Amino acid sequence: EVQLVESGGGLVEPGRSLRLTCAASGFTFDDYAMHWVRQTPGKGLEWVSGISWNSGGLGYADSVKGRFTISRDNAKNSLYLQMNSLRPEDTALYYCAKDSRNNSWYFLDSWGQGTLVTVSS
Amino acid sequence: SYVLTQPPSVSVAPGQTARMTCGGNNIGRKSVHWYQQKPGQAPVLVVYDDYDRPSGIPERIAGSNSGNTATLTISRVEAGDEADYYCQVWDTTSDHLLFGGGTKLTVL
Repeated sequence: EVQLVESGGGLVEPGRSLRLTCAASGFTFDDYAMHWVRQTPGKGLEWVSGISWNSGGLGYADSVKGRFTISRDNAKNSLYLQMNSLRPEDTALYYCAKDSRNNSWYFLDSWGQGTLVTVSS
Repeated sequence: SYVLTQPPSVSVAPGQTARMTCGGNNIGRKSVHWYQQKPGQAPVLVVYDDYDRPSGIPERIAGSNSGNTATLTISRVEAGDEADYYCQVWDTTSDHLLFGGGTKLTVL
């Protein structure tokens, strides 16, 4: 059974940094691309970033490009999101999700339960 | 940039058929995927590649895609189908995953 467990969320002041981690199990992690998707409370889904199986392909939403960095450690079955220069509008529940493909984006067949990031002074 | 448009809400009585649309320019040329999100839960994939269903998803849930509109149809609607439904595509031009704004299905 695929399991994705996010951690690292919390309350942070504007301008500060936070690093999210997603621990994956139940599948061959380095066979698939992975993504971060966020959801503002009461609102819709927004794709944040994606990374191919070997980290050769990276993608970012315009809203986070230059501030967020996605990475993965296949030896540790882990996905990361380094978030810098955080803004109040980054406040959201951040989901880790598994892609159906390895080297491009397609659809997300498994999701974690999310970790909440709150940016406020 | 490519935009996916979904109606904010759809209401249907139990046992009836719910149809939720996802509009986009020539969306029929893209592969469309659908997610169901119940309150307090993570999204779950219910349809991929326009009309295929992951294992465990009932045949009552069906997808179609043509022209400028993709549609998720739920037949014989049950109270447990009440949720938000999101369509999604991969925009190859921007290399971004895109989601529609979501449709809240209310079972009357």
